[in-house]
Amino acid sequence: AQSVAQPEDQVNVAEGNPLTVKCTYSVSGNPYLFWYVQYPNRGLQFLLKYITGDNLVKGSYGFEAEFNKSQTSFHLKKPSALVSDSALYFCAVRGNQAGTALIFGKGTTLSVSS
Amino acid sequence: DGGITQSPKYLFRKEGQNVTLSCEQNLNHDAMYWYRQDPGQGLRLIYYSQIVNDFQKGDIAEGYSVSREKKESFPLTVTSAQKNPTAFYLCASSRIQGSTGELFFGEGSRLTVL
Repeated sequence: AQSVAQPEDQVNVAEGNPLTVKCTYSVSGNPYLFWYVQYPNRGLQFLLKYITGDNLVKGSYGFEAEFNKSQTSFHLKKPSALVSDSALYFCAVRGNQAGTALIFGKGTTLSVSS
Repeated sequence: DGGITQSPKYLFRKEGQNVTLSCEQNLNHDAMYWYRQDPGQGLRLIYYSQIVNDFQKGDIAEGYSVSREKKESFPLTVTSAQKNPTAFYLCASSRIQGSTGELFFGEGSRLTVL
């Protein structure tokens, strides 16, 4: 069965510092991996995805993620955090079949202090 | 603009009442999904549909029902059999052919049982 784990409920960083939000996954076959962001009482916004190719994926708003097959991880990163990055972040995984639902982690709240 | 429209944004229900949440998309996507979000539990899949007049149960389908009579519409009914319906409900859609799997989300509907 496919699953995603986000081991941290909350991550706190100071503005201007680098941030990392962790994600590990379990899936049979090649993984399709995603990061989404959610602001309060809003829907989820797509940030980036890994399908194949380069292990470092760049996405929206300066975010990037590193795919590590041996560690089954897909950590979200940003070199310099902004207060406006404060939100709820979800990692998700899908198997090889198109049109199937994504499996989401429980989410990590990112808090960036000024 | 293309997108997914969920209505109503907020809904209050008395115990024992059925309620229907609307989800409409004009993205010409084949697949549509309903997720439930509770604090600290991430997103859990209720139902999804890959084609008109067909749908599959997700992980927490008990107490819910759906229909897919049109490609653009995927309403969710929360029945009185759902024991704890207070939650934030998210509708999403995706392509199937040529898709890399990302879902596009609506802005959500918050249901509160009084």
